[in-house]
Amino acid sequence: GEDVEQSLFLSVREGDSSVINCTYTDSSSTYLYWYKQEPGAGLQLLTYIFSNMDMKQDQRLTVLLNKKDKHLSLRIADTQTGDSAIYFCAEIPGGYNKLIFGAGTRLAVHP
Amino acid sequence: DVKVTQSSRYLVKRTGEKVFLECVQDMDHENMFWYRQDPGLGLRLIYFSYDVKMKEKGDIPEGYSVSREKKERFSLILESASTNQTSMYLCASSRRTANYGYTFGSGTRLTVV
Repeated sequence: GEDVEQSLFLSVREGDSSVINCTYTDSSSTYLYWYKQEPGAGLQLLTYIFSNMDMKQDQRLTVLLNKKDKHLSLRIADTQTGDSAIYFCAEIPGGYNKLIFGAGTRLAVHP
Repeated sequence: DVKVTQSSRYLVKRTGEKVFLECVQDMDHENMFWYRQDPGLGLRLIYFSYDVKMKEKGDIPEGYSVSREKKERFSLILESASTNQTSMYLCASSRRTANYGYTFGSGTRLTVV
């Protein structure tokens, strides 16, 4: 099947690190993505990683890629209330030209 | 600032009405997509288009049709709206090779009563 899997919910304390995990389906996927959706809004591309990379860092965001296990993670350092949103993992499987999205992880940040 | 614009943020329509959801992008993207989003079900692809006048069915095309007469505009049509089509509808676009991901619109929340 073409299921990108994510846990549905994550709750963290403000100031802690958040780690959102994703398992994708196709070892030949060349690009993998993280999108953020704030309440009532569309999806915003946060970052993407090319499959020949193990890690990508962008300010508070760190993406880790384990190709052997087909596992992608997004770490948010010093999580703030403004980070509360749904985070979607996505891949482009080999031979496709469409993104396959996970169901999204709802991140709740509490004081 | 490049973007995808959906004509309405909120719509309320009656059962049986014909409903048009409009999406316009200003990035000269070849590909355009329509998704619906429902709690617990994630994003489900309704229709997509790789070029003007071309369309392909996604995972849940029943009850919907699309129109792409111009490159920048992709319309989703609900031929006869039903209450089970109450949802958030999201439009997206991408370059011909989607490697750099999709750009999404802000969404249209449709309520069918």
